[in-house]
Amino acid sequence: GEDVEQSLFLSVREGDSSVINCTYTDSSSTYLYWYKQEPGAGLQLLTYIFSNMDMKQDQRLTVLLNKKDKHLSLRIADTQTGDSAIYFCAERAGNMLTFGGGTRLMVKP
Amino acid sequence: DGGITQSPKYLFRKEGQNVTLSCEQNLNHDAMYWYRQDPGQGLRLIYYSQIVNDFQKGDIAEGYSVSREKKESFPLTVTSAQKNPTAFYLCASSVQGNGNQPQHFGDGTRLSIL
Repeated sequence: GEDVEQSLFLSVREGDSSVINCTYTDSSSTYLYWYKQEPGAGLQLLTYIFSNMDMKQDQRLTVLLNKKDKHLSLRIADTQTGDSAIYFCAERAGNMLTFGGGTRLMVKP
Repeated sequence: DGGITQSPKYLFRKEGQNVTLSCEQNLNHDAMYWYRQDPGQGLRLIYYSQIVNDFQKGDIAEGYSVSREKKESFPLTVTSAQKNPTAFYLCASSVQGNGNQPQHFGDGTRLSIL
């Protein structure tokens, strides 16, 4: 079955880069997504990557995909205190998304 | 503005009571979803609907019911059979098809037991 895993917690200093990692198991995944959740709010779509791509850059965000190892990462450059949130990766197979458990990013001033 | 509206933001349930959470979207999306999120955990799928008048159980459907009488609306009822209903409930919607169709989320409803 599908399984998406993330580390629980990441702490960085303001101005540093953050790298959030995700592994998945479903080789039929077509798209992979990164969502951000601030306290008490819903999930906000940050970015996505198609499964035949290796990398996608969108301003401060860089998504890397290693399809062979089924490993996805999100790099946030120049991390700000406003980036503190929970980050979820999700894989899409068919019409359904499977979410990881989320990584809580804490940014220290 | 287009989006997904969930109401109420906070809801309290008494023992033995059914409660209904509202989800409305004006994005003209065919598919709608309900997820449950427990503290410090990811999202678990309760029910989903890919078209009006049709819906399917997700991973944790027991103790919940839904209806999809209109494209815009997908209400979730938490029944008295759900013994541990305290959680954050998220509604989402998406278009259908083979291309890139991310799910778009509402702001959630937090349900607590009185």
